Amino acid sequence: EPEVTQTPSHQVTQMGQEVILRCVPISNHLYFYWYRQILGQKVEFLVSFYNNEISEKSEIFDDQFSVERPDGSNFTLKIRSTKLEDSAMYFCASSGGGGWTDTQYFGPGTRLTVL
Amino acid sequence: SQKIEQNSEALNIQEGKTATLTCNYTNYSPAYLQWYRQDPGRGPVFLLLIRENEKEKRKERLKVTFDTTLKQSLFHITASQPADSATYLCALANTGGFKTIFGAGTRLFVKA
Repeated sequence: EPEVTQTPSHQVTQMGQEVILRCVPISNHLYFYWYRQILGQKVEFLVSFYNNEISEKSEIFDDQFSVERPDGSNFTLKIRSTKLEDSAMYFCASSGGGGWTDTQYFGPGTRLTVL
Repeated sequence: SQKIEQNSEALNIQEGKTATLTCNYTNYSPAYLQWYRQDPGRGPVFLLLIRENEKEKRKERLKVTFDTTLKQSLFHITASQPADSATYLCALANTGGFKTIFGAGTRLFVKA
């Protein structure tokens, strides 16, 4: 069964450094998302992406964050200058072209630790 | 602001019983509501979706109801099994589905 993959599984970085989290969505999907989950807290929406542009973003997704689909398979989240409070699990998700109620499939996540 | 409330306390039930989880929301008119399962350290897994004009949906041992007047959804697992032990998340999406907001989840423990 097709699945969303994410790399790396765990990223440790120093405060102020840039990180890029990578995702490979399911191949025929058209909608892409990033979420984060701070340990013990709820899953929080960051951004959605469709047709090569951001569709919607949350207040968390400030100028320090950016997303890109550099080729036909990858979807990346960049954090320009990491802060301690960026430490969280980051999940990528994708959904297909079956309309806007199509199921979102989540990846296994990247655990980001900012020291 | 938009708010989703799920039982913060864990739900403990005996194997074979029906588990009922509640999701209440305020300041939101979702186009549809979803339930996900999340195991520790893993990503959410989609279970069921119900639209604003639907009252009930079923899938195998799962049933979800959606009352837009009460702003509440109930999620039932019948004939529960220890393998059903997990955290269950309620999520709401707007028209277009471009933004989904999640509740904090309810932890379910099913004892053998």
